[in-house]
Amino acid sequence: SQTIHQWPATLVQPVGSPLSLECTVEGTSNPNLYWYRQAAGRGLQLLFYSVGIGQISSEVPQNLSASRPQDRQFILSSKKLLLSDSGFYLCAWRSPGAIRKNIQYFGAGTRLSVL
Amino acid sequence: AQKVTQAQTEISVVEKEDVTLDCVYETRDTTYYLFWYKQPPSGELVFLIRRNSFDEQNEISGRYSWNFQKSTSSFNFTITASQVGDSAGDFCALRVEYGNKLVFGAGTILRVKS
Repeated sequence: SQTIHQWPATLVQPVGSPLSLECTVEGTSNPNLYWYRQAAGRGLQLLFYSVGIGQISSEVPQNLSASRPQDRQFILSSKKLLLSDSGFYLCAWRSPGAIRKNIQYFGAGTRLSVL
Repeated sequence: AQKVTQAQTEISVVEKEDVTLDCVYETRDTTYYLFWYKQPPSGELVFLIRRNSFDEQNEISGRYSWNFQKSTSSFNFTITASQVGDSAGDFCALRVEYGNKLVFGAGTILRVKS
């Protein structure tokens, strides 16, 4: 079966520090991968998605970047965090195949507090 | 462009009451997919249901049911005999046929009190 892992679960970082959040998927190949951010008490905002290694689409211009160095690995980064980067970050995957397509499955999320 | 509206920011009910969460969507595409996800306090989004635009059958799964009406562009979620454990954020989402993205509504926080 497929599983998705995100880490760390919680992170507290000072303003101006770098960021690296990692997401990996097991049990599938060539998944579509997604990074979302959820501000407190609000809906999900799509940040980046990837349909293959090295292919990144950015939805919202901002202080963050994403990379996909391996088929099942998706990394969210920042060189210098801002206070406004605080939030709950969720990674998701979707199979591009015929079976179970269209459904995005989410990881447990990372709660980021920038102080 | 696609849009999903969940007008109810927060709903509070007493245990055993029935509750309906509203979802209204906008899209010009004729083929699309609608979803409901639940977000418990732990934070992970849990997939509940997917409905295709060409299948207007309502669906029931235990105490959960979904009413899809293309005429009003709505995809409402009803919980019968609510339980305290149903307390969560509930999100409606839309994806068009050839799109890669889910468009989420702002979500409804459901609080079920004992």
